[in-house]
Amino acid sequence: DQQVKQNSPSLSVQEGRISILNCDYTNSMFDYFLWYKKYPAEGPTFLISISSIKDKNEDGRFTVFLNKSAKHLSLHIVPSQPGDSAVYFCAASPQGGSEKLVFGKGTKLTVNP
Amino acid sequence: DTEVTQTPKHLVMGMTNKKSLKCEQHMGHRAMYWYKQKAKKPPELMFVYSYEKLSINESVPSRFSPECPNSSLLNLHLHALQPEDSALYLCASSQAWGDSRYEQYFGPGTRLTVT
Repeated sequence: DQQVKQNSPSLSVQEGRISILNCDYTNSMFDYFLWYKKYPAEGPTFLISISSIKDKNEDGRFTVFLNKSAKHLSLHIVPSQPGDSAVYFCAASPQGGSEKLVFGKGTKLTVNP
Repeated sequence: DTEVTQTPKHLVMGMTNKKSLKCEQHMGHRAMYWYKQKAKKPPELMFVYSYEKLSINESVPSRFSPECPNSSLLNLHLHALQPEDSALYLCASSQAWGDSRYEQYFGPGTRLTVT
């Protein structure tokens, strides 16, 4: 049973445009969400996180939006750059202070020059 | 400095071998993690150490044995592995979780091949 879903295995955008990566979750106990970027043969790199008490968090070109009623979050990258080409994982953690993260399957983003 | 280091980068071992994976961080983090990642799959949590004590074991087979000698080091001892254990093994660390939540920082991983 997949609790964190990234339904788009891949996404292709033009350099300078907006990239929007989506993530849905089923467990209403999740209250902390993160996005990670992963290049081949490297470990995931933390990008941005959001707590369930917020609906938006921004860091430079990266913004994460959380819609709790829809159990949906999205990562916006503006403007997209070729160096952003990587696999993006959405992850979630349940209430209760658990260190456990549940990852989605990832979306491969390709930014074309 | 947000670096987590892992050694070795690559490891090939036979099913009767004993080997260890090592992980180190100097960020003062008190929670450390082992994950396993197969190709085109997300990372799967194996173990969590919090303040050098094992706090989560995700029903991992006993042929994987974690060890946390001190707050900066995390080892994963491997014995009698199977070919299906071949994967990328990732170490991560974070500030210890309590009422606050903290992001996990990952190392580059050890690519393990069991022959």
